[in-house]
Amino acid sequence: AQSVTQLDSQVPVFEEAPVELRCNYSSSVSVYLFWYVQYPNQGLQLLLKYLSGSTLVKGINGFEAEFNKSQTSFHLRKPSVHISDTAEYFCAVSGRSGNTPLVFGKGTRLSVIA
Amino acid sequence: DAGVIQSPRHEVTEMGQEVTLRCKPISGHNSLFWYRQTMMRGLELLIYFNNNVPIDDSGMPEDRFSAKMPNASFSTLKIQPSEPRDSAVYFCASSLAGGPNQPQHFGDGTRLSIL
Repeated sequence: AQSVTQLDSQVPVFEEAPVELRCNYSSSVSVYLFWYVQYPNQGLQLLLKYLSGSTLVKGINGFEAEFNKSQTSFHLRKPSVHISDTAEYFCAVSGRSGNTPLVFGKGTRLSVIA
Repeated sequence: DAGVIQSPRHEVTEMGQEVTLRCKPISGHNSLFWYRQTMMRGLELLIYFNNNVPIDDSGMPEDRFSAKMPNASFSTLKIQPSEPRDSAVYFCASSLAGGPNQPQHFGDGTRLSIL
């Protein structure tokens, strides 16, 4: 079984400042890792995913994440945030085999302040 | 392309009433997921289907909840009888089967309020 811990429930940051949203996972098997974003009154949208290969993954809207196997982490970063990045961000993990569904963290609310 | 379509977007009803939530997945997708989102518990997987067959319903909270997928283009989540603690946002998502690396596409959700 897999589990995900998002260490910060809320992250306020000023516009144009960098941001890091932290995610740690637990799994007894190899995993795929995902970040999703949820804007108000909408469903979740995929930001990026790590399947294999390079541990630095680039996604949409200027976000990137780095897979660190030794630290079981998959932190999300953006060098300069915009007001429009204000949203809830979810880290998710799934096992690599069979029909294992996604397991989501509880989310981090990013608030970008003008 | 049309995304995942959920209806209704909002539902307000009195406790004890039957509630039916509907989902139309993206055409060609053969995996479908139902989630519930609350402030307290976050996003919880209730049930998922592959090729219209329920694979794992261990997340369904109790017998009052049931889900069906009669064909590849339609699914329902039913609560009977409803209770105030069922108030939440319910999401449907679909993906291509082929492994967990396939991204899930979410609908905009149904905001359910049980009075």
